[in-house]
Amino acid sequence: GAVVSQHPSRVICKSGTSVKIECRSLDFQATTMFWYRQFPKQSLMLMATSNEGSKATYEQGVEKDKFLINHASLTLSTLTVTSAHPEDSSFYICSAPVGNTEAFFGQGTRLTVV
Amino acid sequence: GQNIDQPTEMTATEGAIVQINCTYQTSGFNGLFWYQQHAGEAPTFLSYNVLDGLEEKGRFSSFLSRSKGYSYLLLKELQMKDSASYLCAVKDSNYQLIWGAGTKLIIKP
Repeated sequence: GAVVSQHPSRVICKSGTSVKIECRSLDFQATTMFWYRQFPKQSLMLMATSNEGSKATYEQGVEKDKFLINHASLTLSTLTVTSAHPEDSSFYICSAPVGNTEAFFGQGTRLTVV
Repeated sequence: GQNIDQPTEMTATEGAIVQINCTYQTSGFNGLFWYQQHAGEAPTFLSYNVLDGLEEKGRFSSFLSRSKGYSYLLLKELQMKDSASYLCAVKDSNYQLIWGAGTKLIIKP
């Protein structure tokens, strides 16, 4: 089946630094990828939709300049958290839709900003 | 607005059956999904319903009633490894997934 690989699985960074998270579709082409954030004991919150070759679409309340999304190829989308702060600590997950019936998720990235 | 409701937490006994309900109000409907999510891990796909009725897949079954805006996930022969959160999600008219908050299922021996 379709596989989405997300890297890194865990990252600890200092406040003020930037962190890049990669999401790759391994055996299919993903023209669209979704980026979610999940705080403890809460559901997935869609942050943005990345589209290959065009600008990402951000959800209301998500800062475009802080969460930079790049979808340069059909198999890779990246999320960069710029000038990270402790409140950005969360679980970040990417997913890619496959047809209309499924969405495959990456393994998730646990970001801790200290 | 769009809304998906499911119980916050449920407890069941190993070997038993449990039904997790989900009700939704969305702008349009293009399918309902159930995902399983273990703590600290990404969700994994369980089932997809777009037509009314019951879909059975091994120990897991999912039911949909579009007229009632209602679905349930039925888990049979519960095992300890089934302890997880179960997320209900609906694709709206824009094919965007709207997520419920998830139901934490606790299995007791």
